[in-house]
Amino acid sequence: GQQLNQSPQSMFIQEGEDVSMNCTSSSIFNTWLWYKQEPGEGPVLLIALYKAGELTSNGRLTAQFGITRKDSFLNISASIPSDVGIYFCADGNQFYFGTGTSLTVIP
Amino acid sequence: DAGVIQSPRHEVTEMGQEVTLRCKPISGHNSLFWYRQTMMRGLELLIYFNNNVPIDDSGMPEDRFSAKMPNASFSTLKIQPSEPRDSAVYFCASTTLTGPGNKQFFGPGTRLTVL
Repeated sequence: GQQLNQSPQSMFIQEGEDVSMNCTSSSIFNTWLWYKQEPGEGPVLLIALYKAGELTSNGRLTAQFGITRKDSFLNISASIPSDVGIYFCADGNQFYFGTGTSLTVIP
Repeated sequence: DAGVIQSPRHEVTEMGQEVTLRCKPISGHNSLFWYRQTMMRGLELLIYFNNNVPIDDSGMPEDRFSAKMPNASFSTLKIQPSEPRDSAVYFCASTTLTGPGNKQFFGPGTRLTVL
């Protein structure tokens, strides 16, 4: 089946720092999704990307649809403690989810 | 809106027992998904329904797993007999059938422990 690899697997950063993570797939996607999961809860959709090269922002979050259509990137600027969680990429049909990037923000 | 409702939130059972997980999707949503999340395998799609009809159950691991959606407001995932390797968090999610990237809402999950 489809494989979505995310890196890094985990990040420990100081509050205020910027964060970058990425996701690569084994095949071309037409839509990329980014989710955040907090402890004890289900994932919540953050951003959806629909076109190669597209750059979309949601507050301090910015995501990009890679031009090869096999990768996507998520950046968080000026991190705060509530950014803690696991971030997942997914295909547009939500059939496949990435391996996740665990983010810890140190106050 | 109450969101997607799952019950129970936690289930501890012994190997060989039958387990039934329940999900109430958001009213008006006509697509429902069941996922399993483990440390080793991450978040995996088990089965999804459109308009109460199972569309793809290729993610269901074995015949011990079955899912039903008797109406638009209720779905069950049953494991019989359960095994320790079934221990995981099971999520239900719902959305509307309007194309890729349409926002999917997840329930809080059921944490299943099979001893």
